[in-house]
Amino acid sequence: GDSVTQMEGPVTLSEEAFLTINCTYTATGYPSLFWYVQYPGEGLQLLLKATKADDKGSNKGFEATYRKETTSFHLEKGSVQVSDSAVYFCALSNNFNKFYFGSGTKLNVKP
Amino acid sequence: SQTIHQWPATLVQPVGSPLSLECTVEGTSNPNLYWYRQAAGRGLQLLFYSVGIGQISSEVPQNLSASRPQDRQFILSSKKLLLSDSGFYLCAWSRGTDSGNTIYFGEGSWLTVV
Repeated sequence: GDSVTQMEGPVTLSEEAFLTINCTYTATGYPSLFWYVQYPGEGLQLLLKATKADDKGSNKGFEATYRKETTSFHLEKGSVQVSDSAVYFCALSNNFNKFYFGSGTKLNVKP
Repeated sequence: SQTIHQWPATLVQPVGSPLSLECTVEGTSNPNLYWYRQAAGRGLQLLFYSVGIGQISSEVPQNLSASRPQDRQFILSSKKLLLSDSGFYLCAWSRGTDSGNTIYFGEGSWLTVV
């Protein structure tokens, strides 16, 4: 079945460091890919998405490119801030509009 | 604009007691509705999925059930809770059948089974 695998955390970085969170997927057909963010004590919010191969989603300095050849959707940010500390979830939606999420990666950014 | 509400926000229930979590969506019609569970260290697990009234797809066999009595209402239930049912439960909705549509989450319900 469809699934998402993302790197385990926690990831601890200093402010202004470069961030990469790896995400790979398994799916039949052509899924859409998403990154969601969950701040402490809150629900999940959409961070960015890409709906077809080679699309790049971007928001708030975060970027991810839909790579069909490597079935990946890695999240990157050039310079993280303390306020980026949160749990990040990679997800896919398939042709039946079912959404599958990875296990989440906790990011801690230290000043 | 669309909003999603779920309640109660927190719940402490003894083993063997029943459960009812409710979720409603406002500002849209015929949404796809979902129940997820977020257990510690295990990410988000899709429990139930519904594309319309009375149409429920169960993703994981367990002692939970879901019902959709109205277009924008989704209820998660159990007749007898287990300790393993503890976790953070999230209701969500999406629009239509386009796989590129976003899924939107409620604020979640913390369930502790004691």
